[in-house]
Amino acid sequence: KAGVTQTPRYLIKTRGQQVTLSCSPISGHRSVSWYQQTPGQGLQFLFEYFSETQRNKGNFPGRFSGRQFSNSRSEMNVSTLELGDSALYLCASSFFSGGGYNEQFFGPGTRLTVL
Amino acid sequence: GDSVTQMEGPVTLSEEAFLTINCTYTATGYPSLFWYVQYPGEGLQLLLKATKADDKGSNKGFEATYRKETTSFHLEKGSVQVSDSAVYFCALSDLGGGSEKLVFGKGTKLTVNP
Repeated sequence: KAGVTQTPRYLIKTRGQQVTLSCSPISGHRSVSWYQQTPGQGLQFLFEYFSETQRNKGNFPGRFSGRQFSNSRSEMNVSTLELGDSALYLCASSFFSGGGYNEQFFGPGTRLTVL
Repeated sequence: GDSVTQMEGPVTLSEEAFLTINCTYTATGYPSLFWYVQYPGEGLQLLLKATKADDKGSNKGFEATYRKETTSFHLEKGSVQVSDSAVYFCALSDLGGGSEKLVFGKGTKLTVNP
């Protein structure tokens, strides 16, 4: 079974631009979560989607948004990029069954550099 | 809110040395606890987990026991190898809001020298 895939793997943008990152979950997984990883703040939860609905959102400004499609693929968008948005963005998927925790499987991440 | 505190390192050991990475947590309710590992240039891989108090998670020679009384989940391995060099993250699951969210510690970088 193919793992979680993220595209692109690397991105370089300049301040003020916007960017869209894509995540394809493991087949059959309906929950997709996004995390930001930086050296200073570590791993922080951005948001989680299930059946095209955002179920939870972390403490990030409104410039960070996301969506999920009917095939469970997800995209996240960051508008008006700032230098501090430079990070590794990780996507994770799980087969949510509603009964307690379900293991999240992580993709390799998209490395975003903002100049 | 929920939080995880782990020793940040870096930790440098010789091959076959004993490893302990401390992790404590603060949570309301009864979270599941995890150790994830991240190798250079890769995403996170689940190393082991424990879903209730006194559970012991184990994998690849690594072990951790869910201690509710001390709110701890320390990672141990009796004899590390060079291939264990990576960053290790302690995490808990927060099922608040009806969704699944992981709360991570800052990570501990382990380097094992031959």
